[in-house]
Amino acid sequence: DIQMTQSPSSVSASVGDRVTITCRASQDVNTWLVWYQQKPGKAPKLLIYAASYLESGVPSRFSGSGSGTDFTLTISSLQPEDFATYHCQQANSFPLTFGGGTKVEIK
Amino acid sequence: EVQLVQSGAEVKKPGESLKISCKASGYIFTNYWIGWVRQMPGKGLEWMGIIYPGDSETKYSPSFQGQVTISADKSTRTAYLQWSSLKASDTALYFCAKLDSLNLDYWGQGTLVTVSS
Repeated sequence: DIQMTQSPSSVSASVGDRVTITCRASQDVNTWLVWYQQKPGKAPKLLIYAASYLESGVPSRFSGSGSGTDFTLTISSLQPEDFATYHCQQANSFPLTFGGGTKVEIK
Repeated sequence: EVQLVQSGAEVKKPGESLKISCKASGYIFTNYWIGWVRQMPGKGLEWMGIIYPGDSETKYSPSFQGQVTISADKSTRTAYLQWSSLKASDTALYFCAKLDSLNLDYWGQGTLVTVSS
């Protein structure tokens, strides 16, 4: 199985801050990497697929980059509605695997 | 509009059986894989397995193989996740999700399963 490691596990930030979350795969997944946003008690929402492609309707302040084993999710200017937990997932092979999640909290 | 509507919360005792459901609408049900994801209290997401309703082919995560059964009914556009003998450690929030390639692009609202004596 491909192991996915996210860092940090949590980050405190203020509205307007730039936030970067990292996801590392235990083996090469090319650009088959997905990011989700999850708010408490709600289902995850697809944000970015194929490492850097924004899902329709997702604000442009979100961006993704990377290939191979190292990936980043960047929020360029944090908004109040962005406080949530972010999960990465490799979409290269079965079994699909997720990172442990990164909680973005209000400073 | 794609929608996945899951069955309601369940409270069960250890050893009991359970089948939860996920009813799909707004897309061609038989053309896309649909999967299940577990989220234990305060924890991350775990992929359990998927089914292709067109031919009922299933793929399970090794962690869940033999522990649960995934099925689908084309006539009612519904996917199912079932247990034959629940354990306290099965207490979790379970999501169904539609797959586009291997991305989970639409999700159900979640079904909370509580197993307690």
